[in-house]
Amino acid sequence: NAGVTQTPKFRVLKTGQSMTLLCAQDMNHEYMYWYRQDPGMGLRLIHYSVGEGTTAKGEVPDGYNVSRLKKQNFLLGLESAAPSQTSVYFCASSPGLAGGSSNEQFFGPGTRLTVL
Amino acid sequence: AQSVTQPDIHITVSEGASLELRCNYSYGATPYLFWYVQSPGQGLQLLLKYFSGDTLVQGIKGFEAEFKRSQSSFNLRKPSVHWSDAAEYFCAVGATGTYKYIFGTGTRLKVLA
Repeated sequence: NAGVTQTPKFRVLKTGQSMTLLCAQDMNHEYMYWYRQDPGMGLRLIHYSVGEGTTAKGEVPDGYNVSRLKKQNFLLGLESAAPSQTSVYFCASSPGLAGGSSNEQFFGPGTRLTVL
Repeated sequence: AQSVTQPDIHITVSEGASLELRCNYSYGATPYLFWYVQSPGQGLQLLLKYFSGDTLVQGIKGFEAEFKRSQSSFNLRKPSVHWSDAAEYFCAVGATGTYKYIFGTGTRLKVLA
């Protein structure tokens, strides 16, 4: 199993450009998440999905959109990139709600995005 | 409000020395607690987790953590640190029954040879 994979690994954008980050998981997990990681701020949740066809806002959703058309994929879109979106983006998946011996989050390797 | 605090931003230890990384949480119900490690340029890897039962939890790479409900703490320990342990460590709490995981701001560990 590949686990959680992210594409691309690195990207440099100019202000105003758009791009899509792809997350894929092969564990048949229901829940998927997008986080951003900034120095001294830990991980902050951008959007999440509780199943195919569903999405919801996290704590920092502004400037981002997401889609979950297939259970295994969770896409994060930036329609008009801004320098404040320079960050490392992590995707994660989990089998279900927090709690229980088997539920935990599995993380992808991250995408490092720079917006000039 | 639910929160996780890691009071130490940076910690430096000598190789072979013992290590304790602190984590305090604020959560109304029984917490579901995690420690993750992030090596430079990598994603987060789960070290260990606590959901119930024995309050001393063993994890991978020789790490352990102790849940102390009275102190709202879940400190990570290792008796003898190796140079390869240099990384950033994150404590997290899962809000039981929800989608939500709350992360601390991380502790960066430096290991001196």
